[in-house]
Amino acid sequence: DVKVTQSSRYLVKRTGEKVFLECVQDMDHENMFWYRQDPGLGLRLIYFSYDVKMKEKGDIPEGYSVSREKKERFSLILESASTNQTSMYLCASSPTGGRAGELFFGEGSRLTVL
Amino acid sequence: LAKTTQPISMDSYEGQEVNITCSHNNIATNDYITWYQQFPSQGPRFIIQGYKTKVTNEVASLFIPADRKSSTLSLPRVSLSDTAVYYCLGAQLGTYKYIFGTGTRLKVLA
Repeated sequence: DVKVTQSSRYLVKRTGEKVFLECVQDMDHENMFWYRQDPGLGLRLIYFSYDVKMKEKGDIPEGYSVSREKKERFSLILESASTNQTSMYLCASSPTGGRAGELFFGEGSRLTVL
Repeated sequence: LAKTTQPISMDSYEGQEVNITCSHNNIATNDYITWYQQFPSQGPRFIIQGYKTKVTNEVASLFIPADRKSSTLSLPRVSLSDTAVYYCLGAQLGTYKYIFGTGTRLKVLA
């Protein structure tokens, strides 16, 4: 089974802190994604990466950056956390050439910014 | 990219068949329709995908009419454990900017 592991299920940070959310997948997938999920807004794409060191902006990249130094790892960085970034963050991966739209998600990281 | 519209929520009773419709009026010729299921405190998981007509697997059936402007996810004889949020998604092979809609929250009642 594909496994996408997010390093922290729950985090509490203070406004202005730098936050790292880590995601690792074990299936050698080329593509990795970060979404945030908020009540009533569904899943919104922050960034995705189709190769090591490559990244593309999703719909809501403001306030976030990403890093993909190794194929299996995709990190989401909040340079200076703000309260409006309190959310559930979901990482996903998919193989190039796989079924269109088939993503494998991690269990999520719930971030609270105080 | 297909923009999708779904009902926000639905209630059903155990043992009933549930149909959740997704509207995707601007679907592109190369878009596949994909549905996900998300249980509380878990990430979404892929359940079914189709291009046209009908697809069935062990979890659900997916009906896509000839004009492909909508699709219907059908869950036969739901149980309490089918309570979840269901998302539809239009996606093309070789593209990776997948945009999800707001999903449909299905509540199955005893």
